[in-house]
Amino acid sequence: GDSVTQMEGPVTLSEEAFLTINCTYTATGYPSLFWYVQYPGEGLQLLLKATKADDKGSNKGFEATYRKETTSFHLEKGSVQVSDSAVYFCALSSRDDKIIFGKGTRLHILP
Amino acid sequence: KAGVTQTPRYLIKTRGQQVTLSCSPISGHRSVSWYQQTPGQGLQFLFEYFSETQRNKGNFPGRFSGRQFSNSRSEMNVSTLELGDSALYLCASSSVTVNTEAFFGQGTRLTVV
Repeated sequence: GDSVTQMEGPVTLSEEAFLTINCTYTATGYPSLFWYVQYPGEGLQLLLKATKADDKGSNKGFEATYRKETTSFHLEKGSVQVSDSAVYFCALSSRDDKIIFGKGTRLHILP
Repeated sequence: KAGVTQTPRYLIKTRGQQVTLSCSPISGHRSVSWYQQTPGQGLQFLFEYFSETQRNKGNFPGRFSGRQFSNSRSEMNVSTLELGDSALYLCASSSVTVNTEAFFGQGTRLTVV
């Protein structure tokens, strides 16, 4: 079945460092791809999405490009802030309209 | 525009009891999905309702059930609670399908003792 694999955390970076969180997927067909973020005590918020190959999703300085050839959707940010500390989930929408999530990557940003 | 509202935020129940959680989607959204989040299993899909019909179901035992009302509000019920049912239960609403965008509520934290 469809699945999402993302890098294990936690990831600890200093403020203003470059961030990459790797995500690869297995799916039938051409799913939409998402990154969700969960702040402590909160539900999930959609960070960005891409619906077809080569699309780039971007929001709040975060970017991810839908790479069909490598089945990847890596999340990047050029300069992280303390406020970016959260858990990040890579996800896809399956053909039967479920969202399949990765395990999540906890990100700690040190001032 | 009000977001997705889940009630209650926290619940403590005893093994063997049953529980009902509620979700009010964003106005105009007709699709409501439920997910269980645990440290060990991550986020797992429970079921999805669209216009009062269950459109999709995950791999959970029959103790987990749900329904959707004509105003799109949804409830999920867990009967004969087990310790392993302790989790954060998240509800998501979408206008039509999750391919557009799913908006999540803050969740209901269920603790079974």
